[in-house]
Amino acid sequence: GDSVTQMEGPVTLSEEACLTINCTYTATGYPSLFWYVQYPGEGLQLLLKATKADDKGSNKGFEATYRKETTSFHLEKGSVQVSDSAVYFCALSEEDGLVFGKGTKLTVNP
Amino acid sequence: GAGVSQSPSNKVTEKGKDVELRCDPISGHTALYWYRQSLGQGLEFLIYFQGNSAPDKSGLPSDRFSAERTGGSVSTLTIQRTQQEDSAVYLCASSLRLAGGVDTQYFGPGTRLTVL
Repeated sequence: GDSVTQMEGPVTLSEEACLTINCTYTATGYPSLFWYVQYPGEGLQLLLKATKADDKGSNKGFEATYRKETTSFHLEKGSVQVSDSAVYFCALSEEDGLVFGKGTKLTVNP
Repeated sequence: GAGVSQSPSNKVTEKGKDVELRCDPISGHTALYWYRQSLGQGLEFLIYFQGNSAPDKSGLPSDRFSAERTGGSVSTLTIQRTQQEDSAVYLCASSLRLAGGVDTQYFGPGTRLTVL
């Protein structure tokens, strides 16, 4: 079946550092790709998505580009803030539900 | 508008008891999904509904799990004869349509189930 692999955490950065969280997928079709974020004590929220190859999703300074040739959807941010500390999940859509990666915990220190 | 709501927020039960978890999706959303988040397994998809119909129940972990949806709205996930390995956070999500997964899923806050 379809699967998502994302880089193991935890990731600890200083404020204003660059962030990349790698995500690759295997899928038989052409799924939509998502990044969800879970802030401490809160529920899952959609961060960004891309529905077809070469699409770029962006939100709150985060970006990810749907790369069909490398089956990747890496999450990037040029300058992280303390408020970005959270767990980030890469996911793809199957016909029925989402398939998630295991999550990457990011901690940003002042 | 109101988001996805789930109740109870926390449930502690004894092994062998039955539990019911409730999900109220966003009004007008025809698709509804249940997931489970646990330390060992991460986020697992359990079941989806399109309207009141759940075409594929193969994601449910065992036959002790069942789910239903009535009136195209509220859904209930029932776990019979709970076991300690059922302890997890159960998440519900809804989307406007099923649409091959293109539509954004909006998640509820979850129900934390602890089986003693």
